[in-house]
Amino acid sequence: DSGVTQTPKHLITATGQRVTLRCSPRSGDLSVYWYQQSLDQGLQFLIQYYNGEERAKGNILERFSAQQFPDLHSELNLSSLELGDSALYFCASSVVIGPGANVLTFGAGSRLTVL
Amino acid sequence: GENVEQHPSTLSVQEGDSAVIKCTYSDSASNYFPWYKQELGKRPQLIIDIRSNVGEKKDQRIAVTLNKTAKHFSLHITETQPEDSAVYFCAARLNSGGYQKVTFGTGTKLQVIP
Repeated sequence: DSGVTQTPKHLITATGQRVTLRCSPRSGDLSVYWYQQSLDQGLQFLIQYYNGEERAKGNILERFSAQQFPDLHSELNLSSLELGDSALYFCASSVVIGPGANVLTFGAGSRLTVL
Repeated sequence: GENVEQHPSTLSVQEGDSAVIKCTYSDSASNYFPWYKQELGKRPQLIIDIRSNVGEKKDQRIAVTLNKTAKHFSLHITETQPEDSAVYFCAARLNSGGYQKVTFGTGTKLQVIP
């Protein structure tokens, strides 16, 4: 167990629907990152939050949004789902200062299947 | 923004041989370079990392080298074992405008043949 918790582990839904993926970072980590990994593909950076504020944005579609709450958990919202959104979505967290600064610890991922 | 290229995309080696994976990055401001191993269906896990003020780092059978001038870094695995079979990702961290962004390479699928 990495300490980063993602729910749900698996999700099957239909095109046009909306889903929310949840991530709880490791205790003490203020930074949360979201990555998308399509089948046999690399890790595409979506977005990063630090202590509730958006800090960096990657190739995140307008249909996707995210936020980090005061208790530091984060949610990734995916709407108007398309078949191509089927992927493994990883959340990672890190500390910002100190010896382990910016070392990403990944959760187990949420596998989204859009039918 | 930062761009990380990783080669080769697939690599097959005989058990006991060495494996080398190479990455290049584009932004000289990047200062931290981790390597992650991802087994099938599992999460990426950090195996080794190197910071820009260090040229080489070793941990048992794994070593990483960094050439800041050429903007490339490499992962070396010696005496490979079947359990080393996985996808390996390099990454580069860029500090920009007060925030940090970690960009991953496209991955190398390593197969160690017993």
